[in-house]
Amino acid sequence: SQTIHQWPATLVQPVGSPLSLECTVEGTSNPNLYWYRQAAGRGLQLLFYSVGIGQISSEVPQNLSASRPQDRQFILSSKKLLLSDSGFYLCAWSAGQDNSPLHFGNGTRLTVT
Amino acid sequence: GQNIDQPTEMTATEGAIVQINCTYQTSGFNGLFWYQQHAGEAPTFLSYNVLDGLEEKGRFSSFLSRSKGYSYLLLKELQMKDSASYLCAKGSGGYNKLIFGAGTRLAVHP
Repeated sequence: SQTIHQWPATLVQPVGSPLSLECTVEGTSNPNLYWYRQAAGRGLQLLFYSVGIGQISSEVPQNLSASRPQDRQFILSSKKLLLSDSGFYLCAWSAGQDNSPLHFGNGTRLTVT
Repeated sequence: GQNIDQPTEMTATEGAIVQINCTYQTSGFNGLFWYQQHAGEAPTFLSYNVLDGLEEKGRFSSFLSRSKGYSYLLLKELQMKDSASYLCAKGSGGYNKLIFGAGTRLAVHP
């Protein structure tokens, strides 16, 4: 069966510091991968998605970037965090077929101080 | 736009039935998904509809009307553990990208 791992679970970082969140998927090949952010009391916002190694699509302009160095690894980064980057970051995967549901990792709660 | 609207909060009694409605803009529609999210946890997939009608999965059912841009999630025989947020999400733009509503927070009382 497929599993998705995301770490760390919680992170407190000062403004201006860098960020790296990592996500890996097991038990499937060629997944679509996604990074979402959920601000307190709000819906999930799609940040990035990837359909293959090195292929990254950005949905909203922001202070973040994403990379996919391996088929089942997805990384979210920032060079300098802003206060507004605080939130609950969720990695997800789906199979390549249309209408395949997204399956989420356990999330990283990021607080920028 | 991609407005997805659902009620912010609902309350219900243990053992009862509750219906959570969701409306969405019909342009670019590629499936309607429902997720459950307990406080502080990740969303978990419940159901999806791509054709009109009712899909039943145990205590949970989901309905879709594509022409009306309308879906609902029906929860039967409510249990305390069903207290959670329920997220309506529209597939849009291919690659299984989902646009989420803000969620409906359901509180189940004894």
